[in-house]
Amino acid sequence: NAGVTQTPKFRVLKTGQSMTLLCAQDMNHEYMYWYRQDPGMGLRLIHYSVGEGTTAKGEVPDGYNVSRLKKQNFLLGLESAAPSQTSVYFCASSRGQSTNEKLFFGSGTQLSVL
Amino acid sequence: GENVEQHPSTLSVQEGDSAVIKCTYSDSASNYFPWYKQELGKRPQLIIDIRSNVGEKKDQRIAVTLNKTAKHFSLHITETQPEDSAVYFCAARKGGNYQLIWGAGTKLIIKP
Repeated sequence: NAGVTQTPKFRVLKTGQSMTLLCAQDMNHEYMYWYRQDPGMGLRLIHYSVGEGTTAKGEVPDGYNVSRLKKQNFLLGLESAAPSQTSVYFCASSRGQSTNEKLFFGSGTQLSVL
Repeated sequence: GENVEQHPSTLSVQEGDSAVIKCTYSDSASNYFPWYKQELGKRPQLIIDIRSNVGEKKDQRIAVTLNKTAKHFSLHITETQPEDSAVYFCAARKGGNYQLIWGAGTKLIIKP
């Protein structure tokens, strides 16, 4: 039981390049989330999904797209990376029986955009 | 919208002493308040949470108190140990809303 797995762990992009971050969970969770973590700002929600085939915008969605084609996977895409997207990205999941549930986080992706 | 302020940003305490971290939220409709601990280079992990129908919750050396009137909640760690060194995040959620609003974090340093 691996929990929540994120790939890659590190990535360096040049401005304008694109990439996809993959999040996979093996706990049969309904809800999945993508956060970014910046120094002194806590965690900010980018997009989330409440079930297979659904996605919704969070607090800071601009410049990102997501897809949840399979229940266990939640993909985060950057179409044209900008230096402002340099951050640590965390995926998380929860069971989905209510909104007040424990979040299980992945180990994070350190992204640098030059 | 909801805003969560967390203080202090850094807290240094002697091993064995108590530590208190305070968060203030703006939306009176918020009803769920979790605390997450993030060790250096690791993922955040839930350590304790409280719902708005409860004033206090304890789990061994950790406790959380909620004051709905003043709109603040606090994390209390007693008999601090070296393994308590980490960044602690508070968060708040409005009922039925999927979005947690997070505080900026408190770096807790335990001095030997």
